[in-house]
Amino acid sequence: RKEVEQDPGPFNVPEGATVAFNCTYSNSASQSFFWYRQDCRKEPKLLMSVYSSGNEDGRFTAQLNRASQYISLLIRDSKLSDSATYLCVALLGGGNKLTFGTGTQLKVEL
Amino acid sequence: NAGVTQTPKFRVLKTGQSMTLLCAQDMNHEYMYWYRQDPGMGLRLIHYSVGEGTTAKGEVPDGYNVSRLKKQNFLLGLESAAPSQTSVYFCASSGVLVDTQYFGPGTRLTVL
Repeated sequence: RKEVEQDPGPFNVPEGATVAFNCTYSNSASQSFFWYRQDCRKEPKLLMSVYSSGNEDGRFTAQLNRASQYISLLIRDSKLSDSATYLCVALLGGGNKLTFGTGTQLKVEL
Repeated sequence: NAGVTQTPKFRVLKTGQSMTLLCAQDMNHEYMYWYRQDPGMGLRLIHYSVGEGTTAKGEVPDGYNVSRLKKQNFLLGLESAAPSQTSVYFCASSGVLVDTQYFGPGTRLTVL
């Protein structure tokens, strides 16, 4: 079983729609979580961190549910420029290595 | 600042050939990482370094070697390339707070 699992998609949504991705993690010792964004044939870049209390950055909201061991990312009012692959990432407590999910592909269409 | 740079951007090798990938960062980061990314597998850690002169194995280290002789550089070597090493290789660096890793643009390697 992969340590971080995501639905690969693709999620095809119309511009302006709200879309949500979930990610599950298997290691309960994971302490910190993040969402990275990767555009086609480009390098990953940090999108946002995920906190137990939730984290909002403009149209993006990230949530963590430790009891169920899942992380979510909500994108409101989708833009064409949001089309990318979103990587769910976990960091073990005290560790210095990130564990990446395989990514969820989002395609926003006119 | 250039951030993280990688050379070369593309390379084609024949089975058995060797090569070295170079990663350089100008952010004075302590930690550096080498990943490979394959379809359906996501990013997998090959080797990493927590400081100049140190290296450690990641998830998929076999067939690769690394060196960190200078803080700003992290080299990844393939001694005898195999078709299974065809992949996109990313280098990354971070400060001691490893949550934010900065990635280079990647090297696309094909082994025939």
